[in-house]
Amino acid sequence: EAGVVQSPRYKIIEKKQPVAFWCNPISGHNTLYWYLQNLGQGPELLIRYENEEAVDDSQLPKDRFSAERLKGVDSTLKIQPAELGDSAVYLCASSLYGNTEAFFGQGTRLTVV
Amino acid sequence: AQSVTQLDSQVPVFEEAPVELRCNYSSSVSVYLFWYVQYPNQGLQLLLKYLSGSTLVKSINGFEAEFNKSQTSFHLRKPSVHISDTAEYFCAVSSYSSASKIIFGSGTRLSIRP
Repeated sequence: EAGVVQSPRYKIIEKKQPVAFWCNPISGHNTLYWYLQNLGQGPELLIRYENEEAVDDSQLPKDRFSAERLKGVDSTLKIQPAELGDSAVYLCASSLYGNTEAFFGQGTRLTVV
Repeated sequence: AQSVTQLDSQVPVFEEAPVELRCNYSSSVSVYLFWYVQYPNQGLQLLLKYLSGSTLVKSINGFEAEFNKSQTSFHLRKPSVHISDTAEYFCAVSSYSSASKIIFGSGTRLSIRP
């Protein structure tokens, strides 16, 4: 069984440029998460989807971040424009249900210069 | 709402020594508890979980954790560590509600000295 797939693994962009991350969750998993992980910190939830509905986006900075989950499967997370402080690892995870164990992708390491 | 506290940001131990990584949680409802491990430049991998039943849960690589409701703790232990156990360990909590999200602690870096 394939795990959670994220791309790209690494991305370097200049500030004020847009960037997008892609996530393909485990087949059959209803819940999809995007987490932000700063160096030396635990993952912090940005947004959680149940199927195609965003059920928790309270921590998503909506002035510059957006996300979508088309047909309740793949998801993209976009930042426009990127700021220096957005440099971090962006993790995607999926689970059968929101409160059960989450399976993580390898993450995308974003560097904004 | 739930929260998780990992009291130790770093734990250095010698190879083959025992180790305990501490985790305390706060919740007004019944919880599910998890330990995840993160190796350098990798995503998080589930190490073990407590959902219900026996309060002592074990992983395939020798780690174990015990759910203690009265002390609201879920400490991770291993009787003898190996160099390969060097990693970041995260404790996480969610609740019985299917609407609950998984909340992570700040992590404990386990470094093994030969």
